[in-house]
Amino acid sequence: GAVVSQHPSRVICKSGTSVKIECRSLDFQATTMFWYRQFPKQSLMLMATSNEGSKATYEQGVEKDKFLINHASLTLSTLTVTSAHPEDSSFYICSARVAGVDYGYTFGSGTRLTVV
Amino acid sequence: AQTVTQSQPEMSVQEAETVTLSCTYDTSENNYYLFWYKQPPSRQMILVIRQEAYKQQNATENRFSVNFQKAAKSFSLKISDSQLGDTAMYFCAFMKPYGSQGNLIFGKGTKLSVKP
Repeated sequence: GAVVSQHPSRVICKSGTSVKIECRSLDFQATTMFWYRQFPKQSLMLMATSNEGSKATYEQGVEKDKFLINHASLTLSTLTVTSAHPEDSSFYICSARVAGVDYGYTFGSGTRLTVV
Repeated sequence: AQTVTQSQPEMSVQEAETVTLSCTYDTSENNYYLFWYKQPPSRQMILVIRQEAYKQQNATENRFSVNFQKAAKSFSLKISDSQLGDTAMYFCAFMKPYGSQGNLIFGKGTKLSVKP
């Protein structure tokens, strides 16, 4: 089946630094990637949608300059948290739509970001 | 805008018994897809079952089945013969048809505990 590999699974960074999270589709082409954020004991909140080769679409309230999304190829999408602050600490999950299947989604295993 | 409501924050069930998780949604769309996802402590999102709105027949996957009431906009999940491994967060999700915006809209989740 379609697999999305997400790395790193956990990262601790200092306040003010940047962190990059990668999601790779291993055996399919991910034309669309969704990035979610999940706070403890809460649901997944969509942050942005990225399409290969074009700019990401951000949800209302999500800072574009803080959460940089790059989807330069059909197998790789990255989320960079710039100038991280403790309030950015959260669980980030990517999800790719499997091309050709109208209800096919696969999720990465998530990244737990802790900003100290 | 579409919304998904899960009114049961937590539920518990004895092993081998049956439990039903509730989900209601609001949409003006006629064609759409509904999903139940499981998120165990590992945080990996796992698809449990999906339902196409144009299909009247309720979806079933082994011990998991849904009761889809389109007019009432209700989509409940029944887990039969509950197992300890079913302990997880369960999210109900809505999706517009392929070609539309396409992201999943999640409910707040129900934490299910299966007790031995």
